[in-house]
Amino acid sequence: DTEVTQTPKHLVMGMTNKKSLKCEQHMGHRAMYWYKQKAKKPPELMFVYSYEKLSINESVPSRFSPECPNSSLLNLHLHALQPEDSALYLCASRGRPGVGQETQYFGPGTRLLVL
Amino acid sequence: TQLLEQSPQFLSIQEGENLTVYCNSSSVFSSLQWYRQEPGEGPVLLVTVVTGGEVKKLKRLTFQFGDARKDSSLHITAAQPGDTGLYLCAGEENTGNQFYFGTGTSLTVIP
Repeated sequence: DTEVTQTPKHLVMGMTNKKSLKCEQHMGHRAMYWYKQKAKKPPELMFVYSYEKLSINESVPSRFSPECPNSSLLNLHLHALQPEDSALYLCASRGRPGVGQETQYFGPGTRLLVL
Repeated sequence: TQLLEQSPQFLSIQEGENLTVYCNSSSVFSSLQWYRQEPGEGPVLLVTVVTGGEVKKLKRLTFQFGDARKDSSLHITAAQPGDTGLYLCAGEENTGNQFYFGTGTSLTVIP
């Protein structure tokens, strides 16, 4: 099983709203990722968590705040977003040593529209 | 920033034709993945290659990892409309947890 789940699938929010995106995996993976993707472009890395600690932050604006409550969950808290933040937000996890560790497995994404 | 260049960027072909997508870099990767993505959905893993010179086949898809582990190719035989999508390669260097994505190839197969 290589399933990564994301909720919600779609989200529309105003620039003053606060919302959260959620990601979950139960494969024992220890590295989890947030990406932002615009149409027909490759995913852009935002954050990487390794063993529940933030290991990479690709200079993402503070209006995006990641959180890793435990090894199975990854959240992305959104506040005061701009219309240009509208995109597909993808979560991924990395396989365990000896069990697909070379590979990232992606969730279905959350399509975000900021009005 | 490491860069994986994919070519072509866009490709529109007739059903039944063959095609090859290339993924090139000046960096060495310990592993390389190919994904296919449909609009509004997450990338779906097609294959992971880890050994230089490795060739993997998945039905009508053939994947090759370069001997020097700097480049890869994806060949599709007798393309079908269901092959339409965005094809992405992604490579990992030996250190860290970061994967570097290619620039993407948007494929359209016309019935």
